[in-house]
Amino acid sequence: SAVISQKPSRDICQRGTSLTIQCQVDSQVTMMFWYRQQPGQSLTLIATANQGSEATYESGFVIDKFPISRPNLTFSTLTVSNMSPEDSSIYLCSVGRDLYEQYFGPGTRLTVT
Amino acid sequence: RKEVEQDPGPFNVPEGATVAFNCTYSNSASQSFFWYRQDCRKEPKLLMSVYSSGNEDGRFTAQLNRASQYISLLIRDSKLSDSATYLCVVNMLGEYGNKLVFGAGTILRVKS
Repeated sequence: SAVISQKPSRDICQRGTSLTIQCQVDSQVTMMFWYRQQPGQSLTLIATANQGSEATYESGFVIDKFPISRPNLTFSTLTVSNMSPEDSSIYLCSVGRDLYEQYFGPGTRLTVT
Repeated sequence: RKEVEQDPGPFNVPEGATVAFNCTYSNSASQSFFWYRQDCRKEPKLLMSVYSSGNEDGRFTAQLNRASQYISLLIRDSKLSDSATYLCVVNMLGEYGNKLVFGAGTILRVKS
């Protein structure tokens, strides 16, 4: 399995600001995903990060709120824009050779005050 | 109805016990199924895939019943280190293609 790192590991941000989360993989991967895990809940897919093209967003998530970049096969960023307390969550990137077996980064714990 | 449903637990069991978790899914067209494990404040990790014929990995056995849209995970001879949240995961067809849908998880606490 790939080694995945995320930065920052945690942050406390004020409402109205934006935070960019980085996901770095130690090898080239075809598929990268961004998930959100709200307190006490399971994971929800935000979007699939596509290399060289726009991300594909799931219902309920929009590019203006969660812009994603994927400049190459080992790196992606997720920005949480114009944050509100409801955005407080853990954000995780995952990678996979295919859709079916995914490996997760350690997550970014975001608190919005 | 949730796409993937699990009993949240917690299941409190003594060491050495056998414990079983169940999961139901809503989309009969789903083809791939998994169990992930998530330790407290950690990321989920793939525990095992679930195959149609059932499969075993050491103390862990996974079963799939397509007719009932039901998946199970059996843990034998529970260890303290098995304490975690177990996530049932199903591959489903979304708006833009296949995606993994996670259940809310079942909490297991193994006590000495």
